[in-house]
This record gives sequence, structure tokens and C-alpha cells, in this order.
Amino acid sequence: GQQVMQIPQYQHVQEGEDFTTYCNSSTTLSNIQWYKQRPGGHPVFLIQLVKSGEVKKQKRLTFQFGEAKKNSSLHITATQTTDVGTYFCAQNNAGNMLTFGGGTRLMVKP
Amino acid sequence: DGGITQSPKYLFRKEGQNVTLSCEQNLNHDAMYWYRQDPGQGLRLIYYSQIVNDFQKGDIAEGYSVSREKKESFPLTVTSAQKNPTAFYLCASSGAGFGYTFGSGTRLTVV
Repeated sequence: GQQVMQIPQYQHVQEGEDFTTYCNSSTTLSNIQWYKQRPGGHPVFLIQLVKSGEVKKQKRLTFQFGEAKKNSSLHITATQTTDVGTYFCAQNNAGNMLTFGGGTRLMVKP
Repeated sequence: DGGITQSPKYLFRKEGQNVTLSCEQNLNHDAMYWYRQDPGQGLRLIYYSQIVNDFQKGDIAEGYSVSREKKESFPLTVTSAQKNPTAFYLCASSGAGFGYTFGSGTRLTVV
């Protein structure tokens, strides 16, 4: 089936630096969702993007959906230690079935 | 408060033993899902159910079974046919067109 590829797999940053994770698909996506999983925890829904070129912000997090609806990104400005975790994108198939990307694990050095 | 409850949090299984993981939600969601997560990996779909008394296999259903007799409950049985069951199991539910709500998971270890 369709798969979304997520890069990078890991990212170490110094606290205060920015961070970006990318999600790419070879086919057009109906919409895309983003989740955060803290170490030892469970995924938590962050946002859903639906429209071509859509940009949404949640405090220091900026989510973008590409014009062709084949890629998406999550950008964190001025990372904090509370941002540590794995960020997953998930493509939304028919019937609200999600296929998750492999995730980007973010580590923040204080 | 509405949410999903998974139990137990930790489970140890002996070789050849079947075990059942519980998942209960009070969100009034029609759809429920089971995912498996291996260390440092993404989530792989085991089974899903979009309505009571109906469920479908996901990508890695072999060695697992489910039932959906009530809207609130979607238990997962890990059978002895699953040769590598040690993993983190996550249950989720969703309303139409919205993000998933996940339970806190069950860590299963074979001893």
C-alpha cells in the first residue's frame, strides 16, 4: 500500500536550535496527520492538514502541507527539552485509516 | 473524563501461551484499532474495527485475533502462533475524520 517516508530518522539539537522533520509521499494525499510520542509514552494527536499549501501554527510548532499534497513538514522554533520525543506523520487513507511514517526521534541537549 | 484504557500496563507471556490485552473506550467512537510498536520503530496495524461486530485484518494480523462485541471494547488476543510477540501494543479509537486517541499501551514480554 501507500507509504509515507519520514526524514530524518534521528535529530540531535542544542536547546534553542530549530528542528524540522519531513514527510514525503509518491502519491497525492487526501490529508495528513501529525503525532508526538514522548519517550515511554503513547502517540498524541497534534494536527490534521487537509488543504493544498496549508500552514498551521501551534505556539512554536509550524505545520505545512505541500502544494501538490505529496509532502508535509513540522518545524519547531527554538527547541526546548520538553520537545523531546518521536514525531510521526500519518497519511489518511479511505475510511480514516492511518498509515504511519517511521517517525523522527528528536533529542535536545540542554 | 473520556479516554481509552488499556490493561494491563505490563504483561509477561510464557512460550505457547495465549494472552488477551484489554482496550476500553468511553469516547463513543465507532472505530477502534490495534497497533504494534517495536523498539525505535513506527506503528504497524494489526487489526481494526469500524463498527460493532465487524473487524478487518491489518498489515500484520498473523498470530493475533480480536473481537468487537461492544462498541466500547476491542480486546486483542496474542496467540501462541505469534512467534515474536514481545512489543509495545497500542490501542486507538477515532471518530469520523478526526485524529486518533491512543491508550497508554501494554508492554508484552515473552519469558
